[in-house]
Amino acid sequence: AQSVTQLGSHVSVSEGALVLLRCNYSSSVPPYLFWYVQYPNQGLQLLLKYTSAATLVKGINGFEAEFKKSETSFHLTKPSAHMSDAAEYFCAVSDDNNNDMRFGAGTRLTVKP
Amino acid sequence: NAGVMQNPRHLVRRRGQEARLRCSPMKGHSHVYWYRQLPEEGLKFMVYLQKENIIDESGMPKERFSAEFPKEGPSILRIQQVVRGDSAAYFCASSRTGATEAFFGQGTRLTVV
Repeated sequence: AQSVTQLGSHVSVSEGALVLLRCNYSSSVPPYLFWYVQYPNQGLQLLLKYTSAATLVKGINGFEAEFKKSETSFHLTKPSAHMSDAAEYFCAVSDDNNNDMRFGAGTRLTVKP
Repeated sequence: NAGVMQNPRHLVRRRGQEARLRCSPMKGHSHVYWYRQLPEEGLKFMVYLQKENIIDESGMPKERFSAEFPKEGPSILRIQQVVRGDSAAYFCASSRTGATEAFFGQGTRLTVV
C-alpha cells in the first residue's frame, strides 16, 4: 500500500521567509499526490494536487509543489510566508489501484512576526 | 451543491455509551473515508467505503468500532462502549472516484467523560 512521510512535525518561519514543507511518498504505481491545509477547528481544504500532468503544481494562496520521481518527493513551498499561513499541512497519496487516500502525520507551520 | 456534511459537530458521551457519527458525502460521490485526529497528532486513516461495501478497514480498531455506508442515507461510524481514549476529532471525506481529490467535512469532535 502507498504511504507518505512528512519530515518535521513542526516548522517555524518568519513572516516573509521561504516556506518548505517536506513530503516523501512510497507507491508501487504512479501516485496521485495532494497537499491539504487545516486551520484550527476546521476540516481540511485542498491546496493542490498532482495527477501525472505537469510536475510543478501551483495551488491556492501562493503555494506550489514539485513532483520529483527520482527522489519520491512532493515538497510544498511558498516564497514568502504570511501570518495567515499558520496552520497544519498534510501530504496525501492515492492511486488508481488502491483507490484510497493515505495521509502523512502532518506538519504544523508557525509564522513569526 | 452542499459540501460534505458531518453531524453532530460536537458529541459528548459518558464512558460505556455508544457514539454514532454521521457523514453525508457530496452529491455524486460514492467513496467515503473516515479519519481520526487525536490531539497533537496527525490524521489516521480508519476506513474506506464505497456504497454498501467496506473496501479497506485496516485502520479500524478491531473491537468496538464499525462503519457502514448504506445504499440510502449517510455513512455511519459507530463506536460502542466508548472509552476516554476515543476522544478525538473524526473527519469524513468523500470523493467521486478513488483517485480524485477528497473533500472533507468539518469533523465531529467526540469527548468521552
